[in-house]
Amino acid sequence: QVQLQESGPGLVKSSETLSLTCTVSGGSISSYYWSWIRQPPGKGLEWIGSIFYTGSTNYNPSLKSRVTISVDMSKNQFSLKLTSVSAADTALYYCARGRIGGVLWGQGTLVTVSS
Amino acid sequence: QSVLTQPPSVSAAPGQKVTISCSGSSSNIGNNYVSWYQQLPGTAPKLLIYENDKRPSGIPDRFSGSKSGTSATLGITGLQTGDEADYYCGTWDSSLSAGVFGGGTKLTVL
Repeated sequence: QVQLQESGPGLVKSSETLSLTCTVSGGSISSYYWSWIRQPPGKGLEWIGSIFYTGSTNYNPSLKSRVTISVDMSKNQFSLKLTSVSAADTALYYCARGRIGGVLWGQGTLVTVSS
Repeated sequence: QSVLTQPPSVSAAPGQKVTISCSGSSSNIGNNYVSWYQQLPGTAPKLLIYENDKRPSGIPDRFSGSKSGTSATLGITGLQTGDEADYYCGTWDSSLSAGVFGGGTKLTVL
């Protein structure tokens, strides 16, 4: 069955760039939307952005100036880059299949921004 | 502050029914499909309802979804202690060209 797995550093320094990758296994990245969603500790879900397998993207307006989502079909992966991070970006980051999540989610990866 | 409005908490006794509301606007709920997610403590969200009222395979029919105008509702019947979780609604916002979630509702089964 199709599975998603987030990977990347769990600790990022303030003002630096957060980079995460979501690997899709057991299925193709083609023909779907893929999204990144985060959840600060003890808080609700926040949609970060999504990408269609062709590369078309949409981003949360509040993060748009700092976010880039890309897809690598050869590796069956999609990635998230968030620049100029601060403590407010500390969160559990999920990747998911679908424009706003869907039936398939990764387990999530905690990213802490340190000063 | 979330684009979609949910009550922070709801509660009901085992075996009873509960509804969770999700209020939005014409740019989101009014013209797009709504999804509902259940998040048990320490786990990733799980899709309960998609396209307003459809259940993915494996989701019991105790869970139901509906939409009217700019609001959506999740219904859960035959409440079980295992239903205690946070519930989120989500949809697309055509004006923002972005996904949006509600702030989440914590369900307590007394």
